Amino acid sequence: DAKTTQPTSMDCAEGRAANLPCNHSTISGNEYVYWYRQIHSQGPQYIIHGLKNNETNEMASLIITEDRKSSTLILPHATLRDTAVYYCIVRAATSGTYKYIFGTGTRLKVLA
Amino acid sequence: DTEVTQTPKHLVMGMTNKKSLKCEQHMGHRAMYWYKQKAKKPPELMFVYSYEKLSINESVPSRFSPECPNSSLLNLHLHALQPEDSALYLCASSQDRSGSYNEQFFGPGTRLTVL
Repeated sequence: DAKTTQPTSMDCAEGRAANLPCNHSTISGNEYVYWYRQIHSQGPQYIIHGLKNNETNEMASLIITEDRKSSTLILPHATLRDTAVYYCIVRAATSGTYKYIFGTGTRLKVLA
Repeated sequence: DTEVTQTPKHLVMGMTNKKSLKCEQHMGHRAMYWYKQKAKKPPELMFVYSYEKLSINESVPSRFSPECPNSSLLNLHLHALQPEDSALYLCASSQDRSGSYNEQFFGPGTRLTVL
């Protein structure tokens, strides 16, 4: 199973872009990268996912390197409500279904 | 309806009790998951059901017993738990298809305390 590594914590000024990196050097060709965030022990919330192309939605952008060994989640204009733990996840096919393998997470603190 | 519901929100039980956690979704998802999350740690996968059959058991102790009565419901039966089993238990569901649209939807979790 592919594993992900993330920095333990990051700070970002309110209104600035937050760039959260993730390494997934053992990812296989058909395994997707997902990003979720978790606020205060609530259930994790989906942000974005991708396979090899860069992706953008109303919440964030996902940049995946050409070799797919790492990715970066970008929150373009961070607000105080974006303070959360951000998880980089690899979805792996196994036993006829899929496993979502969580990384250790980055605790993002947005500062006023 | 894009919601996964879990009951109860909080549960306190003794080591000799038997209790159950419940999870429900009405999104037509065919995969359902149980995760355990300790404080300041990522969620750890426990079980995966795909099309109502147990597909993955991540070597979970037998004091945790999952059940999927139908495609919308997922239970986790608890018996003879230990204090170290105290954690947030999260349920999730997804479409379980190949291809892109397979995001997991998580419930709010059940906060379990074992005395």
